[in-house]
Amino acid sequence: DQQVKQNSPSLSVQEGRISILNCDYTNSMFDYFLWYKKYPAEGPTFLISISSIKDKNEDGRFTVFLNKSAKHLSLHIVPSQPGDSAVYFCAARGYSGSARQLTFGSGTQLTVLP
Amino acid sequence: KAGVTQTPRYLIKTRGQQVTLSCSPISGHRSVSWYQQTPGQGLQFLFEYFSETQRNKGNFPGRFSGRQFSNSRSEMNVSTLELGDSALYLCASTPGGETGELFFGEGSRLTVL
Repeated sequence: DQQVKQNSPSLSVQEGRISILNCDYTNSMFDYFLWYKKYPAEGPTFLISISSIKDKNEDGRFTVFLNKSAKHLSLHIVPSQPGDSAVYFCAARGYSGSARQLTFGSGTQLTVLP
Repeated sequence: KAGVTQTPRYLIKTRGQQVTLSCSPISGHRSVSWYQQTPGQGLQFLFEYFSETQRNKGNFPGRFSGRQFSNSRSEMNVSTLELGDSALYLCASTPGGETGELFFGEGSRLTVL
């Protein structure tokens, strides 16, 4: 039972254009959402997050949108750069018993073409 | 400040063997979590330790176990290895707080032959 889904395993975008990565979730109790970026042979690094009480959070070229009614969040990268080529994971924070836990999606490989 | 350190980075084992992976969290971080990454499956949560106690556990068989020491360093062990255990095992530490942001190590790449 995948509670966090990234239905696009890969995405290719031209340099300078917008990249939109999508993520769907099923658990309405998730209260915080995060995006991580992962390069090969490195661990994931935190990119941007959003609380469930907000619908948008912006940090430079990165914006995350949250649509709670649709249980959907998206990451927009504008403009896309070749260095953005990586695997992007969305993650949702919920509780398992009394402990917080992050549940990750399966990732989307973004390729930005020069 | 040093990041999360995982050892070994790469290892090869055969079916039936057991393996121990080590993780040193960022100084001051008391929570350590372990994840398994396989192609197409994303990051699957294994367990979390806080102050030497397992605080949370994912849906993995009992062959997967872990522990945390008083200095917050953590180890995970997989016994009776199976081919399907081949994966990247990631350790993450967190300072706590409300965001739940995790700081990951580079991982230990396990290949089971």
